[in-house]
Amino acid sequence: NAGVTQTPKFRVLKTGQSMTLLCAQDMNHEYMYWYRQDPGMGLRLIHYSVGEGTTAKGEVPDGYNVSRLKKQNFLLGLESAAPSQTSVYFCASSTLAGNEQFFGPGTRLTVL
Amino acid sequence: SQQGEEDPQALSIQEGENATMNCSYKTSINNLQWYRQNSGRGLVHLILIRSNEREKHSGRLRVTLDTSKKSSSLLITASRAADTASYFCATDNTGFQKLVFGTGTRLLVSP
Repeated sequence: NAGVTQTPKFRVLKTGQSMTLLCAQDMNHEYMYWYRQDPGMGLRLIHYSVGEGTTAKGEVPDGYNVSRLKKQNFLLGLESAAPSQTSVYFCASSTLAGNEQFFGPGTRLTVL
Repeated sequence: SQQGEEDPQALSIQEGENATMNCSYKTSINNLQWYRQNSGRGLVHLILIRSNEREKHSGRLRVTLDTSKKSSSLLITASRAADTASYFCATDNTGFQKLVFGTGTRLLVSP
């Protein structure tokens, strides 16, 4: 099993460009999450999903959109990137809310 | 806003010593979890302790939970250089469907 995978690993964008980060999990988990991690800080939840076709806002959702069309995939979109969105983005999944989460390796995004 | 706050922010010890990290949180919880993050990597789950438990062990890890003080501690015994990482607590808060992570403790174990 690959666990949780993220694509791409690195990306550099110019302000105003758009992009989509892909997260895939092969553990048949119901719950999936997108976090961002800034230097010296813990993880902050952007959006999450409790099942296929559902999404919900987390702590810092502004400037991001998500979709969960298939149970195994959770997409994070930036419609118009801003320098403040420079960060490392982590995807995670879990069987149920509150259970241990399994994390992907992260995507390092730089917005110039 | 972050729910948990770890203390200390950074800890430097020698191999063989014990490392203790503390986590405080603000609201009632279902469980509290500890994660490790090696530099440049994703988080790895270490241990989960439920609100009705007071202590839990896993290998060289010992976690305690004091719900009256809203605090938890993670003890790593006989530390190794490979334990060098950042450690985060995360709380599953009653009524929510997501974990809330603390700000982390950076542990450096020197050979």
